Amino acid sequence: DAGVIQSPRHEVTEMGQEVTLRCKPISGHNSLFWYRQTMMRGLELLIYFNNNVPIDDSGMPEDRFSAKMPNASFSTLKIQPSEPRDSAVYFCASTMGRANQPQHFGDGTRLSIL
Amino acid sequence: GENVEQHPSTLSVQEGDSAVIKCTYSDSASNYFPWYKQELGKRPQLIIDIRSNVGEKKDQRIAVTLNKTAKHFSLHITETQPEDSAVYFCAASWGTGNQFYFGTGTSLTVIP
Repeated sequence: DAGVIQSPRHEVTEMGQEVTLRCKPISGHNSLFWYRQTMMRGLELLIYFNNNVPIDDSGMPEDRFSAKMPNASFSTLKIQPSEPRDSAVYFCASTMGRANQPQHFGDGTRLSIL
Repeated sequence: GENVEQHPSTLSVQEGDSAVIKCTYSDSASNYFPWYKQELGKRPQLIIDIRSNVGEKKDQRIAVTLNKTAKHFSLHITETQPEDSAVYFCAASWGTGNQFYFGTGTSLTVIP
C-alpha cells in the first residue's frame, strides 16, 4: 500500500497568495484528518471527515482556511489569503471507519509563507 | 471534551537505560490509546497501541500499560538505543469517528 500521499512536500509562497494542500488517503479508509504542527502549538487537529462529510471543523483557525473532500480518495486544504503565521507543517491522516483503529499519517507539507 | 496530558516534555537517558513516558486522560469513555514516534522532519508513526480491555502490551523493547481506574497510561522503552531519540506522542480516542486527542509530546534523547 502506498500509504497516505500528500502534495506538495514543500511550499514557499508570498503572503497573500492562495495555497492548496492535497491529500490522498489510504484506499478503503473513510475517515480523514488534517493537522497543523508547529513548535509553539504542537499537533493541532484542524478538521476531519467521515465518509467525505466534514464532522468537526472547530479547529480551523479562521475563515481563511477551508477544506473539502469531494470523493473518498481526495481532499484539499486551502488557505486564502495566506499569512506568515500560517507557516507550519500540515499533516493529513486517514483511518478505517471502525472503532479503535490507528491513524496513518502522510509525510506532511512544509509550508513557508514569506 | 477529552484532555490528554503528557509528561515529561523532555527526557534524556543514557544508552541502555530505560525510558518512561506518562499520559493521563479525562474522559472515561476513551477506550483506545495509541503511541506515535516522530523523528525529526518526518511523520508521526504508530509504534504501539492498547485497547481498554487490556492492561499491558509488549512489543520487543517497548511496552504500554493502562490503568483505567486512574485514567493513565505509560510507554516504557527498555535498553534504549540512539535511534530511539525522537518525539513521542500519546493519544486517546473513543467511538467510531476515531478523533484522536494528542498529548503535547515528549522529546526523548538517548545519549550514546
